[in-house]
Amino acid sequence: AQSVTQPDIHITVSEGASLELRCNYSYGATPYLFWYVQSPGQGLQLLLKYFSGDTLVQGIKGFEAEFKRSQSSFNLRKPSVHWSDAAEYFCAVGARNYGQNFVFGPGTRLSVLP
Amino acid sequence: SQTIHQWPATLVQPVGSPLSLECTVEGTSNPNLYWYRQAAGRGLQLLFYSVGIGQISSEVPQNLSASRPQDRQFILSSKKLLLSDSGFYLCAWSVPAGTLHFGNGTRLTVT
Repeated sequence: AQSVTQPDIHITVSEGASLELRCNYSYGATPYLFWYVQSPGQGLQLLLKYFSGDTLVQGIKGFEAEFKRSQSSFNLRKPSVHWSDAAEYFCAVGARNYGQNFVFGPGTRLSVLP
Repeated sequence: SQTIHQWPATLVQPVGSPLSLECTVEGTSNPNLYWYRQAAGRGLQLLFYSVGIGQISSEVPQNLSASRPQDRQFILSSKKLLLSDSGFYLCAWSVPAGTLHFGNGTRLTVT
């Protein structure tokens, strides 16, 4: 079974600073990988995904993530954070089978200082 | 385009009362359907998922049940709510080996 860890429960950055949110997964094969963002009281919005091909994937809102197979990681990055990026971020792993089961990390809460 | 509808948005129910949350998907056929729960300040816990009508997989033993009476309808139910059932419930869909798409969630408070 797959699992996901996000080592940072809460991160605070200043507006304009760069951001990296860490994600490590455990899965016996090449997984599908996702990053979602959740604003308070809302559902989850997909930021980006990795299925295959280029290991550096671009997403919405200026986010990118890099799949590193050797490190079992899929870290999320943004070069310059905006105050509106303050939210909860979830990394997720999807199994490559028909009865697809997604497993989510515990989330990282991002606070942005003005 | 595909859309997912989940209702109600908020619900306050007394302990011991029944529960029915409904989720429907439009614009796709035979989707995989999911119910997740998110307790306050915590991550997402998969409760149920379904790959077809009448096919329900339960991930966690609990006071809840799920049904899929139609291809694009997924219902979360309880006969008697517990205080511990409070939380934020999210419905989601995907195509096989595809991306997971979420509804806007239902905030359930059991009093």
